[in-house]
Amino acid sequence: QVQLQESGPGLVKPSETLSLTCTVSGGSISSHYWSWIRQPPGKGLEWIGYIYYSGSTNYNPSLKSRITISVDTSKTQFSLNLASVTAADTAVYYCARLIGSPYYFDFWGQGTLVTVSS
Amino acid sequence: QSALTQPASVSGSPGQSITISCSGTSNDIGSYNLVSWYQQRPGKAPKFIIYEVSKRPSGVSNRFSGAKSGNTASLTISGLQAEDEADYYCCSYGGSSTVFGGGTKLTVL
Repeated sequence: QVQLQESGPGLVKPSETLSLTCTVSGGSISSHYWSWIRQPPGKGLEWIGYIYYSGSTNYNPSLKSRITISVDTSKTQFSLNLASVTAADTAVYYCARLIGSPYYFDFWGQGTLVTVSS
Repeated sequence: QSALTQPASVSGSPGQSITISCSGTSNDIGSYNLVSWYQQRPGKAPKFIIYEVSKRPSGVSNRFSGAKSGNTASLTISGLQAEDEADYYCCSYGGSSTVFGGGTKLTVL
């Protein structure tokens, strides 16, 4: 059973860069797509972007200018950097595996709350 | 790309059936049979329950079913149980991007 675990700071200051890492266990990171999704408190889900194990990426157009997603297959990890954060970026951030080339999120991490505040 | 439109809430009694709609456009739901649904219980991560409009992943109860007509997808839950009380999100491919619905809170009376 694939397991995903998010890690990173729970508090980030405005204008700084939010950095999170997702560690994959129980399965190979190769031959799959991996994604980040976020959920502001009390609100719905928002797709952030995904990366293929080879390094190709696809980002949400509304966040594209501020996002970088990278992968480290040797550590079975992938990461999210979101630059120039504001309070609107406060959310629970989930990492997930994509299937279906890639359209469906089949395995999810438990999520990590990131608060943007000075 | 705008979020898909779902009703904020639906409710039903145990044993009944309910349907949650998910309205999109010709750029997403209307053009692709790539709709999925997720169940999210309070404080938990979403759970994958429907893909390709109407298929169920292994282990998901056959009380959950999906359909699509034009630009609108739907999720039906039959034989409602107390454990079905949760938020439900639809999701669709939209041509190089992925979009979620705003979520529907299901209350089992």
